[in-house]
Amino acid sequence: GAGVSQSPRYKVAKRGQDVALRCDPISGHVSLFWYQQALGQGPEFLTYFQNEAQLDKSGLPSDRFFAERPEGSVSTLKIQRTQQEDSAVYLCASSLATAEPGGEQYFGPGTRLTVT
Amino acid sequence: AQTVTQSQPEMSVQEAETVTLSCTYDTSESDYYLFWYKQPPSRQMILVIRQEAYKQQNATENRFSVNFQKAAKSFSLKISDSQLGDAAMYFCACCQGGSEKLVFGKGMKLTVNP
Repeated sequence: GAGVSQSPRYKVAKRGQDVALRCDPISGHVSLFWYQQALGQGPEFLTYFQNEAQLDKSGLPSDRFFAERPEGSVSTLKIQRTQQEDSAVYLCASSLATAEPGGEQYFGPGTRLTVT
Repeated sequence: AQTVTQSQPEMSVQEAETVTLSCTYDTSESDYYLFWYKQPPSRQMILVIRQEAYKQQNATENRFSVNFQKAAKSFSLKISDSQLGDAAMYFCACCQGGSEKLVFGKGMKLTVNP
């Protein structure tokens, strides 16, 4: 595909359930980012990968959040024992990164997670 | 910590007129980039314009231009000849320098009236 894709687009989970959100970045993009966007707010950084290495996970709100990118392409964000405050849109973005500093991040459509 | 502030939650503009969106930021980085992203309703976020902090010349992309005041840490976006398709949420973001991650403002909803 031409752009960043995310699945599922919508996810409803009961409180306490585990969820897994998938991101397929643009082919060849080295960097991959996860952001959390609460209703009416701007995206907030969660974590960042360069290839398979997770270089920054300072934004993950708790140890219930875990992200991986084992082969340096597809990434999965996992949330264990979901809570109502986890309800948000989870955005994935990718960039060439090493091509130029300050490179554009290309965003996916997001996964809207609702925890009931 | 880096912060980005967009103080106007909503604005409206008449079609074909000009509108300016304001943004201020704070960073301790000496070299960084600033961005304006657009998020149309139910659509993906896309880059509108980018400014490199070490460049004094303001960035321009067709109808979009910025007024970058480094000393004041201000980064406003001007949209000229507004079109209906410009209606969206606009987010100011900073600062790639030592870190790749972006810090976003809360966003501003722009309405374009025909």
